[in-house]
Amino acid sequence: QKEVEQDPGPLSVPEGAIVSLNCTYSNSAFQYFMWYRQYSRKGPELLMYTYSSGNKEDGRFTAQVDKSSKYISLFIRDSQPSDSATYLCATLAGGTSYGKLTFGQGTILTVHP
Amino acid sequence: EAQVTQNPRYLITVTGKKLTVTCSQNMNHEYMSWYRQDPGLGLRQIYYSMNVEVTDKGDVPEGYKVSRKEKRNFPLILESPSPNQTSLYFCASSLSVPYSNQPQHFGDGTRLSIL
Repeated sequence: QKEVEQDPGPLSVPEGAIVSLNCTYSNSAFQYFMWYRQYSRKGPELLMYTYSSGNKEDGRFTAQVDKSSKYISLFIRDSQPSDSATYLCATLAGGTSYGKLTFGQGTILTVHP
Repeated sequence: EAQVTQNPRYLITVTGKKLTVTCSQNMNHEYMSWYRQDPGLGLRQIYYSMNVEVTDKGDVPEGYKVSRKEKRNFPLILESPSPNQTSLYFCASSLSVPYSNQPQHFGDGTRLSIL
């Protein structure tokens, strides 16, 4: 079993829809949680990050972490065609593996006009 | 311009022929990392380095070697490449451990095909 599992999609939504992207993780040593966005033929870029359980909002994006259920979510409100990309959740381990990053499989999102 | 430079961008080679993919950053970053990306598997970390002469294994280190003799360079070495190492490879760097305001800067990727 992978340490981070992500709903693979692909996901296709109309412009203006609310998008929900989800990951689960199994390792309690994971302390930091991130979402990356990757456009076609480009390297990933950091979109959101959070440490504790709860919500973090940045414009149309909300990252949510529930450490008790080991569940990570990213919500995109009022989705735009420019949001079409692959979204990857990522976790950063603490302790002796501090610095090790584990990614989910990625979800391909298409927002059509 | 701040950047992470990988070379080569594309390479087709044969099984068993040693190869090195170079990675260089000009931002004085301490943390550097190598990833491979395969369809359906997402991004997987191969090795990472917290600083000069400090390297650690990621999730898929088998068949790869790295070295960090200087801060700016972090080459990825495939001593005896095999077809299952055909993949898209990314090098990345960040000021320190990549979290919060220390985002990773990624290179443009190296597409390796091993026949």
